[in-house]
Amino acid sequence: DVKVTQSSRYLVKRTGEKVFLECVQDMDHENMFWYRQDPGLGLRLIYFSYDVKMKEKGDIPEGYSVSREKKERFSLILESASTNQTSMYLCASSLDRDRQFTEAFFGQGTRLTVV
Amino acid sequence: DQQVKQNSPSLSVQEGRISILNCDYTNSMFDYFLWYKKYPAEGPTFLISISSIKDKNEDGRFTVFLNKSAKHLSLHIVPSQPGDSAVYFCAASDSGGGADGLTFGKGTHLIIQP
Repeated sequence: DVKVTQSSRYLVKRTGEKVFLECVQDMDHENMFWYRQDPGLGLRLIYFSYDVKMKEKGDIPEGYSVSREKKERFSLILESASTNQTSMYLCASSLDRDRQFTEAFFGQGTRLTVV
Repeated sequence: DQQVKQNSPSLSVQEGRISILNCDYTNSMFDYFLWYKKYPAEGPTFLISISSIKDKNEDGRFTVFLNKSAKHLSLHIVPSQPGDSAVYFCAASDSGGGADGLTFGKGTHLIIQP
């Protein structure tokens, strides 16, 4: 079974803090993604990466950065947390784009509250 | 500009009956479509997918239908069971879209009533 593991299920951080959300996958997937889910807005793509040290902006990258130093690990960084970044954050991974498309597998999510 | 639309925020169905969840898309480059199911406080889990070269894909109680000319797909669940109560997301991608991420709809909350 594919396993995508996010380091925390719940986090509470203060406004202005630097926040790290970690994600690890064990299926040797090339592609990794960070989404956020908000009520009434569905899932929105923040950043994605198709290779180590590669990153691409998604639909809502403002206020976020990412790091992919190893293939299995993709980190989302909130440089200076703000209350509008309170959300459910979801990490996902999928196989390389040159292969037949496969579905993205998601982690269990991190519920971040910024106070 | 919403490229994947799920126009029903919620749907209530009686246990044992058929649940039909609908999804429309606007981007004609999309050629792969997926349905995900999500329980509260958990990540989405993949349910079923369909390529644009097909018009139907079936997996047990779940069937996805694709109407390319109408840019419409639907998920049929029959018979509906209490454990099917969840939020269902429709997602789409273009060719090789695995590296560019999926575009999701806003979700439909399915409630199965006993």
